[in-house]
Amino acid sequence: NAGVMQNPRHLVRRRGQEARLRCSPMKGHSHVYWYRQLPEEGLKFMVYLQKENIIDESGMPKERFSAEFPKEGPSILRIQQVVRGDSAAYFCASSPGLAGANVLTFGAGSRLTVL
Amino acid sequence: GDSVTQMEGPVTLSEEAFLTINCTYTATGYPSLFWYVQYPGEGLQLLLKATKADDKGSNKGFEATYRKETTSFHLEKGSVQVSDSAVYFCALGDGEKLVFGKGTKLTVNP
Repeated sequence: NAGVMQNPRHLVRRRGQEARLRCSPMKGHSHVYWYRQLPEEGLKFMVYLQKENIIDESGMPKERFSAEFPKEGPSILRIQQVVRGDSAAYFCASSPGLAGANVLTFGAGSRLTVL
Repeated sequence: GDSVTQMEGPVTLSEEAFLTINCTYTATGYPSLFWYVQYPGEGLQLLLKATKADDKGSNKGFEATYRKETTSFHLEKGSVQVSDSAVYFCALGDGEKLVFGKGTKLTVNP
């Protein structure tokens, strides 16, 4: 029973390029969460999605960042025109639904470095 | 808004030493409280949780008690092992979101 799978584990981009981070939730989980961990900081909530719906994106920067969770395939966190301040570890988590609220299973993270 | 403050690391202990990692929180209402652990190269794993005041969460020899009067959820273990070396995160549940502390890196030496 595979856990939450994130890829790539490490991504290097130059300023102005696009970064795409993918997350496959645990089998049977329909809720996906993205968190960002800046250096020396705790994890910060970014967005919460169910299949084909964004439920809460209150933690997402207003520009350049977007997230989706299509009917088929993984959830994607997309960062356009990356800047050095986007360098961070991005963690995805999943849960089975309301009954499992707050009991999140996390992936190993994707570490983005912007040169 | 809600927030979590945990003790600064890193913490270095010898095997079989007693461990305490302090965690305090600020929240409206009565959130659930959690400790997550992150081993090198892996994702965060739920270590233990407590959902109401005076609840004690425990797992793998670790314990933490939900103290409403001191708004604390300190993590303790009586005798640490080398395999406990990891980063520990305190968190509170705010609806569908978790609010995390900055993490405390623990290194246990043989």
